[in-house]
Amino acid sequence: NAGVTQTPKFQVLKTGQSMTLQCAQDMNHNSMYWYRQDPGMGLRLIYYSASEGTTDKGEVPNGYNVSRLNKREFSLRLESAAPSQTSVYFCASNLDREDEAFFGQGTRLTVV
Amino acid sequence: KNEVEQSPQNLTAQEGEFITINCSYSVGISALHWLQQHPGGGIVSLFMLSSGKKKHGRLIATINIQEKHSSLHITASHPRDSAVYICAVNGGSQGNLIFGKGTKLSVKP
Repeated sequence: NAGVTQTPKFQVLKTGQSMTLQCAQDMNHNSMYWYRQDPGMGLRLIYYSASEGTTDKGEVPNGYNVSRLNKREFSLRLESAAPSQTSVYFCASNLDREDEAFFGQGTRLTVV
Repeated sequence: KNEVEQSPQNLTAQEGEFITINCSYSVGISALHWLQQHPGGGIVSLFMLSSGKKKHGRLIATINIQEKHSSLHITASHPRDSAVYICAVNGGSQGNLIFGKGTKLSVKP
């Protein structure tokens, strides 16, 4: 049982480049989330999806787009990367919003 | 003021010591989570609790809903317990977790 799988684990982008972070879960969870983790701050919500076909903005959505492709997959896209988006990104999922959350291994992104 | 406050921010202990990490929150919650993050690693859920006390091996988590406070205790600490411990609450309006900044624990042999 793989849980939550994120790819890639590491990425370096130049300012202005685009990329998509992939996330997949095999636990039949309804809710999926993208968070970013920055030094000295708690994780902050970028976007979330309460169910297949729905997505909503979180605390820090600017510069990002998401797609809930199906129940398993929730991708995060940076259309034009900026140095301020240098961070560690975590995907998470749970059966429903009140349940235990499961996290991916994280993607360490550096924008130069 | 942060909605979830953890203390201490950093903690160094000798192997075998009893460790306590505290978490206070200011929002109404349905549950509180304790998470563990090893250096360069992912985040693992240790406990999810909404009342009372839970125990798993050498780890114990307690919560006092009236006082909006939770503690994570580690008995007989070991160097492999060295990690960042994160408190998070189910208090976000979108069903998301609200996270503390974490407590960095280092256990010396």
